[in-house]
Amino acid sequence: GAGVSQSPRYKVAKRGQDVALRCDPISGHVSLFWYQQALGQGPEFLTYFQNEAQLDKSGLPSDRFFAERPEGSVSTLKIQRTQQEDSAVYLCASSLALGNTIYFGEGSWLTVV
Amino acid sequence: AQSVTQLGSHVSVSEGALVLLRCNYSSSVPPYLFWYVQYPNQGLQLLLKYTSAATLVKGINGFEAEFKKSETSFHLTKPSAHMSDAAEYFCAVSEGLTGANSKLTFGKGITLSVRP
Repeated sequence: GAGVSQSPRYKVAKRGQDVALRCDPISGHVSLFWYQQALGQGPEFLTYFQNEAQLDKSGLPSDRFFAERPEGSVSTLKIQRTQQEDSAVYLCASSLALGNTIYFGEGSWLTVV
Repeated sequence: AQSVTQLGSHVSVSEGALVLLRCNYSSSVPPYLFWYVQYPNQGLQLLLKYTSAATLVKGINGFEAEFKKSETSFHLTKPSAHMSDAAEYFCAVSEGLTGANSKLTFGKGITLSVRP
């Protein structure tokens, strides 16, 4: 596709429910990032993939958060047993290697009620 | 460790007036610095980036920023504001341009309003 595509765009989950957020990066992009943006805040880094390898997951806030990119293309961010504090916009971004521009998707807006 | 400080959460200017959005950074290594813009319900779009070449960086839509190491600043300016510039602006820093080092640390963002 022309840009980074994320789905669903909007998700309302009941507290305790599991959710899965999908990211389709730009074709051929090696690097993939997930960020979490709470209301009124800047995005915060969650995790980084180079192809299928998850090289940095230092930003994942708890073991309820899990991300994968099994074939080095599409990535899924999974949140188990959602809590109200998980309500945020989850942004996916991708780039080619070697210092190219990082392109962001429009985000998946998660509201936990 | 890196951090970005964007003082204030909201700036309002008149159409045609100078835009100045402030950004100060902290980094233990030579930084790479970025300004992103976010329009409502859209993703982040790169305005410009500093990658240790020229200290005055020109970006899209008439914006520019100057890297001042002595002041640890990377303020964003535009000589004449346009109504279409109304958006949220984020300053960000990274330790590198490749791999995991290219992960971005963002400031809290500044909302720019433009008055007719």
